[in-house]
Amino acid sequence: NAGVMQNPRHLVRRRGQEARLRCSPMKGHSHVYWYRQLPEEGLKFMVYLQKENIIDESGMPKERFSAEFPKEGPSILRIQQVVRGDSAAYFCASSLLAGDNTGELFFGEGSRLTVL
Amino acid sequence: KQEVTQIPAALSVPEGENLVLNCSFTDSAIYNLQWFRQDPGKGLTSLLLIQSSQREQTSGRLNASLDKSSGRSTLYIAASQPGDSATYLCAVRGNTGKLIFGQGTTLQVKP
Repeated sequence: NAGVMQNPRHLVRRRGQEARLRCSPMKGHSHVYWYRQLPEEGLKFMVYLQKENIIDESGMPKERFSAEFPKEGPSILRIQQVVRGDSAAYFCASSLLAGDNTGELFFGEGSRLTVL
Repeated sequence: KQEVTQIPAALSVPEGENLVLNCSFTDSAIYNLQWFRQDPGKGLTSLLLIQSSQREQTSGRLNASLDKSSGRSTLYIAASQPGDSATYLCAVRGNTGKLIFGQGTTLQVKP
């Protein structure tokens, strides 16, 4: 039973380019969460998605960032026109049951974005 | 708004010592609390999950306690080893479904 899979593990982009980060949740998990960890800082919540729905995007910057979790395929975090301040580790987590806030979250290894 | 604080920010101990990491949260209306370990440049490894109705959880040399009413949790590590060196993160989950993290405690265990 594979864990949460994120790719790419490392991504380098120049300012102004687009970054796409992918997350495949654990098998059977229908809830996905994206977090960002800036250098020397803690994890900050970005967005919470269920299949085809955004449940909570209160942590997402208003511009350039978007997320989706389609019916088929992985969840995608998309950053348009990247700037140096976007350089960070982006972590994805998944959980099992709908509406079960007692469930455990399982994290992937993260995608490390470097903007030159 | 939930806020999670971890004290100390960093800790250095000699091998073999027992130690306690502290976590406090401002809103006691939580569903559960998780302790994670993060090694440099790596992802998060879940160590212990305590449900709001529980007082403590144990796994090997680790013991986590939860006092929901006072908004506190502790992670106790017995007989520390150099391999325990890492950053330890505390996170709480409320009715919004998302985990709110503390800033972490970076632990160094010296041989």
